[in-house]
Amino acid sequence: GENVEQHPSTLSVQEGDSAVIKCTYSDSASNYFPWYKQELGKRPQLIIDIRSNVGEKKDQRIAVTLNKTAKHFSLHITETQPEDSAVYFCAADTGRRALTFGSGTRLQVQP
Amino acid sequence: GAVVSQHPSWVICKSGTSVKIECRSLDFQATTMFWYRQFPKQSLMLMATSNEGSKATYEQGVEKDKFLINHASLTLSTLTVTSAHPEDSSFYICSAVRARDSPLHFGNGTRLTVT
Repeated sequence: GENVEQHPSTLSVQEGDSAVIKCTYSDSASNYFPWYKQELGKRPQLIIDIRSNVGEKKDQRIAVTLNKTAKHFSLHITETQPEDSAVYFCAADTGRRALTFGSGTRLQVQP
Repeated sequence: GAVVSQHPSWVICKSGTSVKIECRSLDFQATTMFWYRQFPKQSLMLMATSNEGSKATYEQGVEKDKFLINHASLTLSTLTVTSAHPEDSSFYICSAVRARDSPLHFGNGTRLTVT
């Protein structure tokens, strides 16, 4: 089955700096890669996603890049704000919509 | 937007009892629903895939006789934790999808505490 690895497990940045979270996946059949933000005790919230036929996608301060050959994808958050502090999960989907999640990154943005 | 409702949002039960968690798609018919479990400070782990009108498909290591899943209609799937034990205490989250290429929607989660 699919295996998704995520790094780093914790990330602390100063407000205004950029944050980068990286994930690798194992199953070449995976074709959909969402990123979720989860606050304590709440449901994961989709913040951006990318499909395997696209190399990069951007939405305001958030961008995701995908390298299919290397089987890795990354989340980039620019101009970080304290409200960006949360746990972020990457995930991979082989098409059956059952997501395999990474282990999560706790992002802390220091004001 | 599409909403998936989960009930209850939290439950405390005694060891040995059973607990039922409901997952409803409120404004769309969900052909498939998924159940995840999330232990504190850990990731979401897929437990099972639930298709309307058929038996659920369980992930390796998940006991199907302990975690009973019923998907009797296109808008409702239930997860019953039977003979719950303290180690079953976790955050259970469902997700639902209308069709293969449709967006995936998560429920608000159920915090189960077994004493």
